[in-house]
Amino acid sequence: NAGVTQTPKFQVLKTGQSMTLQCAQDMNHEYMSWYRQDPGMGLRLIHYSVGAGITDQGEVPNGYNVSRSTTEDFPLRLLSAAPSQTSVYFCASSYSTQRGYNEQFFGPGTRLTVL
Amino acid sequence: RKEVEQDPGPFNVPEGATVAFNCTYSNSASQSFFWYRQDCRKEPKLLMSVYSSGNEDGRFTAQLNRASQYISLLIRDSKLSDSATYLCVVNAGGTSYGKLTFGQGTILTVHP
Repeated sequence: NAGVTQTPKFQVLKTGQSMTLQCAQDMNHEYMSWYRQDPGMGLRLIHYSVGAGITDQGEVPNGYNVSRSTTEDFPLRLLSAAPSQTSVYFCASSYSTQRGYNEQFFGPGTRLTVL
Repeated sequence: RKEVEQDPGPFNVPEGATVAFNCTYSNSASQSFFWYRQDCRKEPKLLMSVYSSGNEDGRFTAQLNRASQYISLLIRDSKLSDSATYLCVVNAGGTSYGKLTFGQGTILTVHP
């Protein structure tokens, strides 16, 4: 299994450009999420999905869109990039048990710089 | 108040030392608790889940105190390879089982 994969690894954008960060998992996990990590801030949840066709907002959703048309894929779209969106983006997937959702498996991250 | 707060660190300890990290959380409905480890410029990886009765995995011991809303991680006999950022992670609970909240992390450096 490849686990959680993310593309691209690095990206530089100009203010106002749009782009899509790709995320895929091959573990058949129903839960997927996107986080951003900024120095001193920890990881903050952007959007998440509990299954195909279902998405919801996290802590910092503004400026981002997501869709979940399949179990495997969960792309994150930046609508109009701003310098404040310069960050490291992590995608994660997880599965549920009777105790709730367990370990989240993270992708390697995308380092985004917006000029 | 932040939902999850950790010792700011950084911690610099010699090999063989015992070091403890603390974490407090504000949501009393939280159901699940974890410690993740993150190496420099890498993704977080699960170190251990934290159970109500406390649990141990080799040199690592995690404790949970629900009354005080407090989690701890103890590392014994520190190794150079333990150098990393340690993230305290709390599950929101209720209908939001999958929504994890991360602390800002504590940096540990183990030196020879």
